[in-house]
Amino acid sequence: KQEVTQIPAALSVPEGENLVLNCSFTDSAIYNLQWFRQDPGKGLTSLLLIQSSQREQTSGRLNASLDKSSGRSTLYIAASQPGDSATYLCAVLPGGGYQKVTFGTGTKLQVIP
Amino acid sequence: DAGVIQSPRHEVTEMGQEVTLRCKPISGHDYLFWYRQTMMRGLELLIYFNNNVPIDDSGMPEDRFSAKMPNASFSTLKIQPSEPRDSAVYFCASSLGARRQYFGPGTRLTVT
Repeated sequence: KQEVTQIPAALSVPEGENLVLNCSFTDSAIYNLQWFRQDPGKGLTSLLLIQSSQREQTSGRLNASLDKSSGRSTLYIAASQPGDSATYLCAVLPGGGYQKVTFGTGTKLQVIP
Repeated sequence: DAGVIQSPRHEVTEMGQEVTLRCKPISGHDYLFWYRQTMMRGLELLIYFNNNVPIDDSGMPEDRFSAKMPNASFSTLKIQPSEPRDSAVYFCASSLGARRQYFGPGTRLTVT
């Protein structure tokens, strides 16, 4: 059974700092990995999706990397802003055409002005 | 596109009552997912459909839960009878194949 862990559970940083969020998964046989953002009381917004054959994806100040062999993904946020404050979740889609995504536990990020 | 639409946004009901949650996926998407989110258990997949057909309902907690997708633009999640432990936020999401999942705003259910 796939298990997805995110450490730390919470993170507080001053505005402008570069930061890295971590995601670990136990089964490396994945199809893709997504990073989501969830604002309080809201649904999830997909930020980046990395296919298993890719090593990284970039969107603006966000960069996600994937190392299947070690079962890890990182989300790098450059020059953090207060508007980046949210909970970030990673989600793993298994291979074999199966659509059952497993979500991580999330990292709650607070960027202090 | 309006995105994934869910209704109602909030539902408060008494224990034992029937609850029906509704979802309209993004037009053209062939997968639809129902999730439940709680503080204790995080985000859990309850059931998902492909082309209106239920594929995996192993996440449905009990027989009190049922889901239908009568057509490509509508799905329901029903709880009958409801219990206080069903209180959670229920999300619907849709995707085109194994691409990004797009989530609705959720329905916050409170069972008293």
